Amino acid sequence: SQQGEEDPQALSIQEGENATMNCSYKTSINNLQWYRQNSGRGLVHLILIRSNEREKHSGRLRVTLDTSKKSSSLLITASRAADTASYFCATDARQKVTFGTGTKLQVIP
Amino acid sequence: DAGVIQSPRHEVTEMGQEVTLRCKPISGHDYLFWYRQTMMRGLELLIYFNNNVPIDDSGMPEDRFSAKMPNASFSTLKIQPSEPRDSAVYFCASSLAKKGGQYFGPGTRLLVL
Repeated sequence: SQQGEEDPQALSIQEGENATMNCSYKTSINNLQWYRQNSGRGLVHLILIRSNEREKHSGRLRVTLDTSKKSSSLLITASRAADTASYFCATDARQKVTFGTGTKLQVIP
Repeated sequence: DAGVIQSPRHEVTEMGQEVTLRCKPISGHDYLFWYRQTMMRGLELLIYFNNNVPIDDSGMPEDRFSAKMPNASFSTLKIQPSEPRDSAVYFCASSLAKKGGQYFGPGTRLLVL
């Protein structure tokens, strides 16, 4: 079964709004990563948060990690049409990375 | 940096034929991963290598699938014989262990008729 499960499965917002995606996982991890996949393309690594970190920022991205709840969230602020893509969380345990099912984000201009 | 290179980008073949997918990882990366992505199953890890050595092949679906990494700059994923249910997008990714994060290639879209 998938280690990471994203929620919601799909999200549609207006340009300029914030988008929040959540990821839950089952076992202990070394780190958690978020990736973006544009339609028909490979995945692109966005950000990595280690198990001893609680929050991390990168540009318009903010990631939080709660190891007690085994969950993470990805916040995209001031969304743009170009942010339209699928977003995946991936849990890293001993270098084996397991991807979740993804959240499909649509940003409407 | 050219990134991870995969070939071919598209492959259409008939059931029973042998298919070979190729990957060139980013120079200096010591981990290489093969994934398969379908609508039904999402992104599945098939196998990964560390320093050219296969570490975990538990995701390889059947004996029809095999992967090799003869050197640090090249890997192949072979399906023999291919079946229609193997139709998927196959991704190769590489990473530098200490930094984490994987760099994906553009994928090979395989269609088995």
